[in-house]
Amino acid sequence: GAVVSQHPSWVICKSGTSVKIECRSLDFQATTMFWYRQFPKQSLMLMATSNEGSKATYEQGVEKDKFLINHASLTLSTLTVTSAHPEDSSFYICSAFLSGTGVNGYTFGSGTRLTVV
Amino acid sequence: GNSVTQMEGPVTLSEEAFLTINCTYTATGYPSLFWYVQYPGEGLQLLLKATKADDKGSNKGFEATYRKETTSFHLEKGSVQVSDSAVYFCALSDSGAGSYQLTFGKGTKLSVIP
Repeated sequence: GAVVSQHPSWVICKSGTSVKIECRSLDFQATTMFWYRQFPKQSLMLMATSNEGSKATYEQGVEKDKFLINHASLTLSTLTVTSAHPEDSSFYICSAFLSGTGVNGYTFGSGTRLTVV
Repeated sequence: GNSVTQMEGPVTLSEEAFLTINCTYTATGYPSLFWYVQYPGEGLQLLLKATKADDKGSNKGFEATYRKETTSFHLEKGSVQVSDSAVYFCALSDSGAGSYQLTFGKGTKLSVIP
């Protein structure tokens, strides 16, 4: 089945630094990637939707200059948290959607636990 | 807009007990409905799905029936195991609205004790 590999699984960084999270579709081409943020004991909040080769569409309230999303190829999407602060600490999850597969097309990465100190 | 409401947890059950997690939805079109499971420290895994009214999704002993008349998709399992301890998310996808975004409920944490 379709697999999305997300790295790193966890990262600790200092305030003010930037962190890049990668999601790769291993055996299929992902035309659309979703990036979610999950706060403790809460649901997944959609941050942005990216389509290969075009700019990401950010949800209301999400700072696009802070959360940079790049989807340069059909197998790789990245989320860069720039100038990270402790309030950015969270669990980030990517999801790939393979068009043409209907409701079977959603595959999730294993998530990245970001801690900003 | 679309929304998903599921019962709040946490839910604590003894092994072999019957499980029900309620989920209701609102959608502008005719959504597909999902249950996802998240084990500690991991991403989400699709548990089951249903794409149209009266469909029943099932997997690993879990079942949910798409009830259009009550806009519900309740998750059930007849006999839970300790290994079922996880967070369960109800979700919908309303591709008729022009987007393939998933809308999630807040999640229900299930703890099964021996």
